[in-house]
Amino acid sequence: DAKTTQPTSMDCAEGRAANLPCNHSTISGNEYVYWYRQIHSQGPQYIIHGLKNNETNEMASLIITEDRKSSTLILPHATLRDTAVYYCIVRVVYNTNAGKSTFGDGTTLTVKP
Amino acid sequence: DAGVTQSPTHLIKTRGQQVTLRCSPKSGHDTVSWYQQALGQGPQFIFQYYEEEERQRGNFPDRFSGHQFPNYSSELNVNALLLGDSALYLCASTSSWQTDTQYFGPGTRLTVL
Repeated sequence: DAKTTQPTSMDCAEGRAANLPCNHSTISGNEYVYWYRQIHSQGPQYIIHGLKNNETNEMASLIITEDRKSSTLILPHATLRDTAVYYCIVRVVYNTNAGKSTFGDGTTLTVKP
Repeated sequence: DAGVTQSPTHLIKTRGQQVTLRCSPKSGHDTVSWYQQALGQGPQFIFQYYEEEERQRGNFPDRFSGHQFPNYSSELNVNALLLGDSALYLCASTSSWQTDTQYFGPGTRLTVL
C-alpha cells in the first residue's frame, strides 16, 4: 500500500470550513483514497472514500487532484464535535489485500470556538 | 443495523498471562481484521480473517493468534503478555462482495501490569 503524508496538526474556527490535506505521491492506479477520523480513544469512524473523482456525502467532501498524488478532505462547517485525529489511507480493494489498512499518525484537527 | 461490536471494553492483565478479545462484524460482512493502537500512534495491522482462515498478517509475533467462526465473528488471542502489549485493540469488518469499506468497532483497551 502507498504511504501517505499528513500535517501533524491543524486548527479551524467553529463554523468555518476545515481543509485537511494528504499527499500520496506513490499511489497506484487501483488504489482508493479513504478518510477516517478517530475521536479520543474510540474506534476510527469512516468518513468518505474515492478513486479519482471528487466525492461528497453528508459528512464531508473529498477532492482528489487530477494526477491523484494528493487529496483534500473538506468539512464544510466545522463544529467542536469535529475535533479528532483524521487519517488518510490509500489501499487496493477487491483483492486479497482487502481489509488491510496502513495508518500513519494522522492529522489532529482542533476546532476552536 | 448493529455495527461492529467488541468485548470486553476494558481489560487488565499481568505480564505472562493470556488474553482473548472478541469481535462481531457488521451485519453482512464476512472479513474481519484486527489492529493494535498504541497511545499516540495510528492503528497497526495485526491480521485478517476470511472464510475462517488467516489471509494476511502484519509484523506481529506468533504470540498473537486469532480465529474466525462460521458466523464470521472473530477472536484475538495474545499469549505471554508483555508490558508493551498494552494498547487499544480494534476490530474492523468489511465485505468481500461490496465496496470494501472497512468499519471499525469501539475497541478493547488492554492494560498489562
